[in-house]
Amino acid sequence: EAGVAQSPRYKIIEKRQSVAFWCNPISGHATLYWYQQILGQGPKLLIQFQNNGVVDDSQLPKDRFSAERLKGVDSTLKIQPAKLEDSAVYLCASSSIDSAYEQYFGPGTRLTVT
Amino acid sequence: RKEVEQDPGPFNVPEGATVAFNCTYSNSASQSFFWYRQDCRKEPKLLMSVYSSGNEDGRFTAQLNRASQYISLLIRDSKLSDSATYLCVVNIRARGSTLGRLYFGRGTQLTVWP
Repeated sequence: EAGVAQSPRYKIIEKRQSVAFWCNPISGHATLYWYQQILGQGPKLLIQFQNNGVVDDSQLPKDRFSAERLKGVDSTLKIQPAKLEDSAVYLCASSSIDSAYEQYFGPGTRLTVT
Repeated sequence: RKEVEQDPGPFNVPEGATVAFNCTYSNSASQSFFWYRQDCRKEPKLLMSVYSSGNEDGRFTAQLNRASQYISLLIRDSKLSDSATYLCVVNIRARGSTLGRLYFGRGTQLTVWP
């Protein structure tokens, strides 16, 4: 079974630039999550989708971050404009509806903002 | 106050040693509990769930004390391959919601040396 796919794996941008990340969850997983993991910390949930609807975006800095999952499958996360403190690994995860605690993570996108 | 607090370590132990990690959680409404493992520069993966009655999976034993809001993980007969960061995770379901969200601790780093 294919795992969660993410791209790109690495991205370096300058502050005030824009960047977008893509995620394709495990087939059949209705719930998709975007996490931010800053070095030395645990993952922090940014946004959670169930199918194409947003369940929880309380921790998403909406002035600069946006995410969508238009067809209920793959998803994009965008940062515009980026700040230095956005440097982190952005992890996408997915889970089935009946097992939301067992989340399967993608390899992440390592973002460096200079 | 953070939802989940962990000692970041690092713990450096020889092969064959027994090592224990602890974490505390602040929200008494936390409903389910887990340990995830994260290898260096890799994504987190579910290691095991934690139950009040305690549960064991081979060399790994997890314990939950709801009264003290305390979770532990014991690793017996440590192997080199156990070297990783261990993330303490709690699932909290918002009132009125059928879905929960995971809160990750910052992780405890373990290095097992030959």
